[in-house]
Amino acid sequence: AQSVTQPDIHITVSEGASLELRCNYSYGATPYLFWYVQSPGQGLQLLLKYLSGDTLVQGIKGFEAEFKRSQSSFNLRKPSVHWSDAAEYFCAGSNAGGTSYGKLTFGQGTILTVHP
Amino acid sequence: AAGVIQSPRHLIKEKRETATLKCYPIPRHDTVYWYQQGPGQDPQFLISFYEKMQSDKGSIPDRFSAQQFSDYHSELNMSSLELGDSALYFCASSPVGVNYGYTFGSGTRLTVV
Repeated sequence: AQSVTQPDIHITVSEGASLELRCNYSYGATPYLFWYVQSPGQGLQLLLKYLSGDTLVQGIKGFEAEFKRSQSSFNLRKPSVHWSDAAEYFCAGSNAGGTSYGKLTFGQGTILTVHP
Repeated sequence: AAGVIQSPRHLIKEKRETATLKCYPIPRHDTVYWYQQGPGQDPQFLISFYEKMQSDKGSIPDRFSAQQFSDYHSELNMSSLELGDSALYFCASSPVGVNYGYTFGSGTRLTVV
């Protein structure tokens, strides 16, 4: 079965420090991969996506992610975290075609706390 | 830019009542997805529609039904509500054949008391 796993439930970093949120996927073929951010009680905002091609993708708010096929990973990074980045981050995947195309499978989410 | 509109934003219902959630997709988006996010949980796919036909179905209870109308808006009907139905319900839309990370609405928070 397809799955997306975020090993870290909660991460705390200091403002200005670098950030890496981990995401691993399990799909029969290379999926489309996404990172979403959610502030408390709010909707999901798309940060970036990997569809194909360049394995390093740039997103909004200074985030980037790297697709590594050999490690089945799609980790999210930011070189310098701002207090406003505190939120919950979800990694998600979908089939790149075929059945259930478009349906997203989410990871469990990682809550990011930023200390001043 | 136009976004996905969901109404109502908040809804409080009693057990065994019925609730109807509405979703208005981005103009020219003909595919709609519904997700349920319980407290502290990740979003779970419920159901999707393409061109007014159900295109995929996830872990949606039989007490729930949904449809997409001719103007592409969608409604999720939930009957015999249970306390466990309390959650955020998200709708998302995309153009046909495109899954470039579709746009989510702000969600409807349903509280069952």
